[in-house]
Amino acid sequence: GQQLNQSPQSMFIQEGEDVSMNCTSSSIFNTWLWYKQDPGEGPVLLIALYKAGELTSNGRLTAQFGITRKDSFLNISASIPSDVGIYFCAGQRSGNYGQNFVFGPGTRLSVLP
Amino acid sequence: DGGITQSPKYLFRKEGQNVTLSCEQNLNHDAMYWYRQDPGQGLRLIYYSQIVNDFQKGDIAEGYSVSREKKESFPLTVTSAQKNPTAFYLCASGVTFDQPQHFGDGTRLSIL
Repeated sequence: GQQLNQSPQSMFIQEGEDVSMNCTSSSIFNTWLWYKQDPGEGPVLLIALYKAGELTSNGRLTAQFGITRKDSFLNISASIPSDVGIYFCAGQRSGNYGQNFVFGPGTRLSVLP
Repeated sequence: DGGITQSPKYLFRKEGQNVTLSCEQNLNHDAMYWYRQDPGQGLRLIYYSQIVNDFQKGDIAEGYSVSREKKESFPLTVTSAQKNPTAFYLCASGVTFDQPQHFGDGTRLSIL
């Protein structure tokens, strides 16, 4: 099936640092979503992007819909301990693909005090 | 409060038994989904339903069954045919099939 790649797979940062992660695909997507999953919980939707080039913020989080429509980026500024978790991207394709949304494998973020 | 409720939080099954995981939503969403998540892994789609009384297989449907008799309910049965059922199971719903999905808090299934 369709694959989404997320980079990096995992990262360790110091509290207060900024974080950047991305999600790429070989196919074009119409919508990009970013989720965060805390240990033992379900993913929570952070940001939804609907237009190429769109830049959207949610507090310290900023996400962008890539111009090529094949990628998306998530930045976290001034990280804090509660940012720890797994960040998933998801992309939506147009047309009759059955499985409408495709999820990436996730980026695992650890924040060191 | 509106939301997606999965129960139970933890579930134990003996080998050879079927077990049913509950998912209920009061968001009036048409679309519902079941995913499986293994340790350190991403989400794999088991089944999805675009509307009541309809459902489709996802990428890993073998050994699982679902029903969608009511809009608010989408139970998942893990059958004895599923040889490696130990995993974290997530239910999600969306306003429609092409709208962002919102997740429940999951059920962790373990084999005794």
